[in-house]
Amino acid sequence: EIVLTQSPGTLSLSPGERATLSCRASQSVGSSYLAWYQQKPGQAPRLLIHSTSSRATDIPDRFSGSGSGTDFTLTISRLEPEDFAVYYCQQYGSSPWTFGQGTKVEIK
Amino acid sequence: QVQLVQSGAEVKKPGASVKVSCEASGYTFTSSYMHWVRQAPGQGLEWMGIINPSGGRTNYAQKFQGRVTMTSDTSTNTVYMELSSLTSEDTAVYYCARVGSSGKYNWFDPWGQGTLVTVSS
Repeated sequence: EIVLTQSPGTLSLSPGERATLSCRASQSVGSSYLAWYQQKPGQAPRLLIHSTSSRATDIPDRFSGSGSGTDFTLTISRLEPEDFAVYYCQQYGSSPWTFGQGTKVEIK
Repeated sequence: QVQLVQSGAEVKKPGASVKVSCEASGYTFTSSYMHWVRQAPGQGLEWMGIINPSGGRTNYAQKFQGRVTMTSDTSTNTVYMELSSLTSEDTAVYYCARVGSSGKYNWFDPWGQGTLVTVSS
């Protein structure tokens, strides 16, 4: 099983600032089979990024993903008020499908 | 557009079973795998299993083997997840999520709205 570890657990930032979220895998995630999801309170997760760096439909370009192998990053270039939420990384290249424990981006 | 609509909240007693449904629309039902994921209160996302609606083949997380059954009904475009021998540890929101591209090793998109299952005596 591939274990995903996200850091930091909580990120306290102000609107307009840059957010950098990390996701580290216990073994290589094959063929960049890594996704990022955003979840707001009381809502289902929403796909942001798939295949490490491809934005999902209607996702603004302030969201970007990068990385390879075991180290991946989600960057939000300039935080908007609606971006304060919990973010999860996920690997979908092998069973069992696994998620990181999440990073909460909160308003400072 | 692709939409997944789940059944309503459930309250169950310990030892009982629960069956949650997920009705799909906006695409060819048998063309995409479907996952089930749960989220305990204040916790992260936990993968439970996957079903191929075309034929009904399943793959369950080891943690739920023997206790979970996922099925599909192509006449109503609905997948089901049944979890038995419930304990308080099973209190969670249960989500269905469609595989977002062909094949089973792809991202989850979209997700259903979630179904809260509360287990309490």
